[in-house]
Amino acid sequence: QKEVEQNSGPLSVPEGAIASLNCTYSDRVSQSFFWYRQYSGKSPELIMSIYSNGDKEDGRFTAQLNKASQYVSLLIRDSQPSDSATYLCAVMKASNTGKLIFGQGTTLQVKP
Amino acid sequence: DVKVTQSSRYLVKRTGEKVFLECVQDMDHENMFWYRQDPGLGLRLIYFSYDVKMKEKGDIPEGYSVSREKKERFSLILESASTNQTSMYLCASSDYRDPFNFGPGTRLTVL
Repeated sequence: QKEVEQNSGPLSVPEGAIASLNCTYSDRVSQSFFWYRQYSGKSPELIMSIYSNGDKEDGRFTAQLNKASQYVSLLIRDSQPSDSATYLCAVMKASNTGKLIFGQGTTLQVKP
Repeated sequence: DVKVTQSSRYLVKRTGEKVFLECVQDMDHENMFWYRQDPGLGLRLIYFSYDVKMKEKGDIPEGYSVSREKKERFSLILESASTNQTSMYLCASSDYRDPFNFGPGTRLTVL
């Protein structure tokens, strides 16, 4: 079992729709959770971080964390073609010195 | 903003060459990391360092070594480059105040 799992996609949504990206993790002691966006040929950029159960909103992005279910998700409202990218889920364990474990990423395509 | 820079965006080397990839960060971060990214395999940790002169093996350290002589600089060394080391190499830094920030990446091709 991979430590961090994501559906590779592609996930295709029409412009203006809500895109829902999901991620599960295996280690219950994980403490911090991150979503990165990566455009083709570019390096990942941090878009959201979440540390406690519940929802965290930032503009059109909402991160949701459920530690009991070991599940973290990213919702993108009013999806735009510019949101088309690969989204990487990353998990930090409490015991690690800042090391992040990454999922393989979900490719999102937003169609005009 | 944290700035992480890498010495080259694109690099072409020959099999057997010794290759140095340099990474510099300007935010006084303790932690620095080297990942490689390959299609279908995702991001895999090669080495990381949480202090000057300290290093820890990641998931795929074979064929690589690292050097951290100064806090701001973390170098990845391919002792004898091989074709299976053709990849995108990403450096990152972090500390307790700032989460991971990646450099722009170096796309290495080994012929």
